[in-house]
Amino acid sequence: DTAVSQTPKYLVTQMGNDKSIKCEQNLGHDTMYWYKQDSKKFLKIMFSYNNKELIINETVPNRFSPKSPDKAHLNLHINSLELGDSAVYFCASNLGEGTEAFFGQGTRLTVV
Amino acid sequence: GENVEQHPSTLSVQEGDSAVIKCTYSDSASNYFPWYKQELGKRPQLIIDIRSNVGEKKDQRIAVTLNKTAKHFSLHITETQPEDSAVYFCAASSPGNTGKLIFGQGTTLQVKP
Repeated sequence: DTAVSQTPKYLVTQMGNDKSIKCEQNLGHDTMYWYKQDSKKFLKIMFSYNNKELIINETVPNRFSPKSPDKAHLNLHINSLELGDSAVYFCASNLGEGTEAFFGQGTRLTVV
Repeated sequence: GENVEQHPSTLSVQEGDSAVIKCTYSDSASNYFPWYKQELGKRPQLIIDIRSNVGEKKDQRIAVTLNKTAKHFSLHITETQPEDSAVYFCAASSPGNTGKLIFGQGTTLQVKP
């Protein structure tokens, strides 16, 4: 009964490839996010979605395209992968402002 | 833009001692301040949070204090145990921003037995 789950857990791919990460939450939350954690452990917001609609794109390159087919799912597609995209990507969800964010287990993306 | 500064970046204490981690935030409208613990290879998990209408909150061995005037908030862990060893993140959230969190840089806490 995992609250926020994302797949895959590990992803190793070559530069220039396109890859996707999937996220699902069963908490009934309206708001979902993607965060990027770099090699120095810094967690940075990438996208905010509310009820399937993109609310905030934190100046992320347009090679990154999130898609929300319904409010329980938020997927992340990355085109033309670059070495600098290597990081751990976390999906998260919450009820909205001022509420606890629940994180998925993370996807460690390695671009070689 | 919004910014959260966290100190220290690393902290080493003896088991049983107290640990204090401090954060400052830039957006005076911020009204929600959670703290997350991240164990190696795991997801961040909430350990305590505080809202701007409260100055202090305690939950067993952990407490958080907030000084809105100075835009500071701190995490206090008493009677530290080896299982407290992890990376701790403070964060801030502002109204009208969908609930997104702006994180501090993280503090790696090591508790030596």
